[in-house]
Amino acid sequence: DIQMTQSPSSLSASVGDRVTITCRASQSIGTYLNWYQQKPGKAPKLLIYAASTLQSGVPSKFSGSGSGTDFTFTISSLQPEDFATYYCQQSHSAPPTFGQGTKLDI
Amino acid sequence: QVQLVQSGAEVKKPGASVKVSCKASGYTFTGHHVHWVRQAPGHGLEWMGWFNPNSGETNYAQKFQGRVTMTRDMSINTAYMELSGLKSDDTALYYCAKEWGYSAMYYILDYWGQGTLVTVSP
Repeated sequence: DIQMTQSPSSLSASVGDRVTITCRASQSIGTYLNWYQQKPGKAPKLLIYAASTLQSGVPSKFSGSGSGTDFTFTISSLQPEDFATYYCQQSHSAPPTFGQGTKLDI
Repeated sequence: QVQLVQSGAEVKKPGASVKVSCKASGYTFTGHHVHWVRQAPGHGLEWMGWFNPNSGETNYAQKFQGRVTMTRDMSINTAYMELSGLKSDDTALYYCAKEWGYSAMYYILDYWGQGTLVTVSP
């Protein structure tokens, strides 16, 4: 199975900050990389797929980049509703696997 | 709008089975695979398998083969996931999720149910 490693595991930030999360795959996955947001007590929500494509309805303050084994996810200006846990997930090959998550808090 | 509504919380004893339902609306149920993902308390996300509501085909993660069964009832647009031989470490939130691709598998999960908490306790 492909292992996905996110860093950092947790991140403290303030409203208005620009934050970046990284995700590394244990082998090359092209751009088969997706990002999800999960708020406490809620289901994950798809934000970005294919490394950089914004899901319909997702604000443009979210962005993603990368290919191969190294990927980044950026929030350009943090708002209170953005404090959540973010997961990367590879969709290159079965089984799809997730990173361990990055908890973003104040 | 797309909605996936799951059945309520369950408490089971070790060795028992649990069956979770996932009722889909707002899209063509037979056009998109359904994934099942679980999340143990305080832990990350673990993919369990997918189910094709059109053909009935399944693909289970190796870890769950022999213990998991995914089915559907097309008359009510509902998918089911049954897990048998429950152990304490099966205690988790179980999610169903819709596959983004139409009649194709991309492993992109674009809509999720609200989750069903399954607690395994003696």
